[in-house]
Amino acid sequence: NAGVMQNPRHLVRRRGQEARLRCSPMKGHSHVYWYRQLPEEGLKFMVYLQKENIIDESGMPKERFSAEFPKEGPSILRIQQVVRGDSAAYFCASSPQDRSGNTIYFGEGSWLTVV
Amino acid sequence: GDSVTQMEGPVTLSEEAFLTINCTYTATGYPSLFWYVQYPGEGLQLLLKATKADDKGSNKGFEATYRKETTSFHLEKGSVQVSDSAVYFCALVSGGSYIPTFGRGTSLIVHP
Repeated sequence: NAGVMQNPRHLVRRRGQEARLRCSPMKGHSHVYWYRQLPEEGLKFMVYLQKENIIDESGMPKERFSAEFPKEGPSILRIQQVVRGDSAAYFCASSPQDRSGNTIYFGEGSWLTVV
Repeated sequence: GDSVTQMEGPVTLSEEAFLTINCTYTATGYPSLFWYVQYPGEGLQLLLKATKADDKGSNKGFEATYRKETTSFHLEKGSVQVSDSAVYFCALVSGGSYIPTFGRGTSLIVHP
């Protein structure tokens, strides 16, 4: 499968635990985006990364959330000390290069439920 | 800043009816425009795109024309099927930007 791969697809965490969501971009893609989709709402941009570099994190909450895209391995979105309001679908997308107007391609999403 | 406004859903149609989902935008420069579709429990799939004024994107019977004068990119299909039931998102990327801005999505329900 050459598409954007996200795992886990579904994750349940208790309040206060940590959630780690992984994303492997499409083959040949060097840029990754993370979006959050809350129930009955649209997609909200969180962060835009290339390998070893955060390009734009203007949509990331200031606390508890972090993202990385290391030289080797998938991109990781990490949520520390989760709260009920973090329950959402988290989508990763990738694009081939840092070029304005590029089409981005989405993964299937990771559904986080905080109990 | 950039923004995308879509018509509120759900849009409920009978099979073979004509579909229009309105999308208007506010952006700097000359944006690229996109429609994505999301089926239940899945991620977003690119449906069609247009990169300059008067371009028409089309795919799977869906069409949308980039109208600069009305800042619109309405999605149309002549005859919908039950399998078209999904949420449709309009999106843009401004000239010089790398980050798509999405509308809130419009749910389409097609009855047999």
